[in-house]
Amino acid sequence: DIVMTQSPLSLAVTPGESASISCRSSQSLLHSNGYNYLDWYLQKPGQSPQLLFYLASNRASGVPDRFSGSGAGTDFTLKISRVEAEDVGVYYCMQTLQTPGTFGGGTKVEIK
Amino acid sequence: QVQLVESGGGVVQPGRSLRISCAASGFPFSGYAMHWVRQAPGKGLEWVAFISFDGSNQDYRDSVKGRFTISRDNSQDTLYLQMNSLRVEDTAVYFCARDRTGSSGSLSDWGQGTLVTVSS
Repeated sequence: DIVMTQSPLSLAVTPGESASISCRSSQSLLHSNGYNYLDWYLQKPGQSPQLLFYLASNRASGVPDRFSGSGAGTDFTLKISRVEAEDVGVYYCMQTLQTPGTFGGGTKVEIK
Repeated sequence: QVQLVESGGGVVQPGRSLRISCAASGFPFSGYAMHWVRQAPGKGLEWVAFISFDGSNQDYRDSVKGRFTISRDNSQDTLYLQMNSLRVEDTAVYFCARDRTGSSGSLSDWGQGTLVTVSS
């Protein structure tokens, strides 16, 4: 199975500042079609996860443009510019290149 | 809007069986692949199973192969997960999730989850 490693484990951010989360995969997520099969999800407290980005950098419907996804191969980044209180929760990356899909361990984002 | 509502969770003894369901609405259910994902208490997310839009293809994580069966009834817009020979380590909230496309693997919509507790 492809192992997904996220860092940091947790992050405390002042509202209005930016935050960055790293996700690394044990194998390249680049498909022969040119796409990187990496998703980002946010699980807000007490809620189900929600899709933020698919194929590394494609923003899902309704996701504010304060969020951006980037990266390729084995190294990926989720960036939140101008963090707001509603952004708290646990962020997960997930690879969908191979079965089984595998998630990173999660990064907990809190507000200072 | 898309709605996925899981049901059927509960407390079950190790070695016993349980079937959980996911009722879908707000989208053409028969046109989308579906997944089950679970989350043990206080832990991260773990993909469990996949079924194609027409039910012809299924896939499972190794730890549930031979014990769990994913199925769907497109006439009833319902997804199922039959869980046999349950183990303590299967204790989790089980989420059903809609695939973003036919079989992209991306999970565009999630239900609220149903808790399955395996305990003697």
